[in-house]
Amino acid sequence: DQQVKQNSPSLSVQEGRISILNCDYTNSMFDYFLWYKKYPAEGPTFLISISSIKDKNEDGRFTVFLNKSAKHLSLHIVPSQPGDSAVYFCAASVGSNYKLTFGKGTLLTVNP
Amino acid sequence: GAGVSQSPSNKVTEKGKDVELRCDPISGHTALYWYRQRLGQGLEFLIYFQGNSAPDKSGLPSDRFSAERTGESVSTLTIQRTQQEDSAVYLCASSRSQGLLGNTIYFGEGSWLTVV
Repeated sequence: DQQVKQNSPSLSVQEGRISILNCDYTNSMFDYFLWYKKYPAEGPTFLISISSIKDKNEDGRFTVFLNKSAKHLSLHIVPSQPGDSAVYFCAASVGSNYKLTFGKGTLLTVNP
Repeated sequence: GAGVSQSPSNKVTEKGKDVELRCDPISGHTALYWYRQRLGQGLEFLIYFQGNSAPDKSGLPSDRFSAERTGESVSTLTIQRTQQEDSAVYLCASSRSQGLLGNTIYFGEGSWLTVV
């Protein structure tokens, strides 16, 4: 039973355009959400997070939106850059607990 | 070191053999985590250490898996009698303390295990 789902295995966008990565979850107890980025042969690196008390969190070019009623979150990258090409993982936890549940990831390719 | 260090980076082993994977967390980080990622899957939580507290082993998939941590430093993940389904990247991570709020978890590069 996959509690965090990233239904798009891959996404390709043009440099300068917006990248939108989506994530759905089924466990209504999740109340803290994170996005990680992973380059090949490297460990995941933390990108941005959001608590369920918010519906939006912004950090530079990265914005995460949370729709609790739909159990859906999305990561927006504007403008997209070739260096953003990586696998993006959505993760969730209960009560900001250390135990993260990850999605399978979405491979983003930003074309110059 | 500057980041979480894992060894070996790659390991090929025969089915039925035991393997040990090592993790050196960032100095000063009291919390240490092991995750694994099998091909085409997301990261799966395995085990969590926090200081001198009893570890949370709830994610270990079978009794063939065990992990130890010496104080607040090195951790070793041991897989006994390896099976082909154990093939995965084993990722270690550390953070300053437990909980995620304002507390970034840093991952190592992982140990790629292939069981043949």
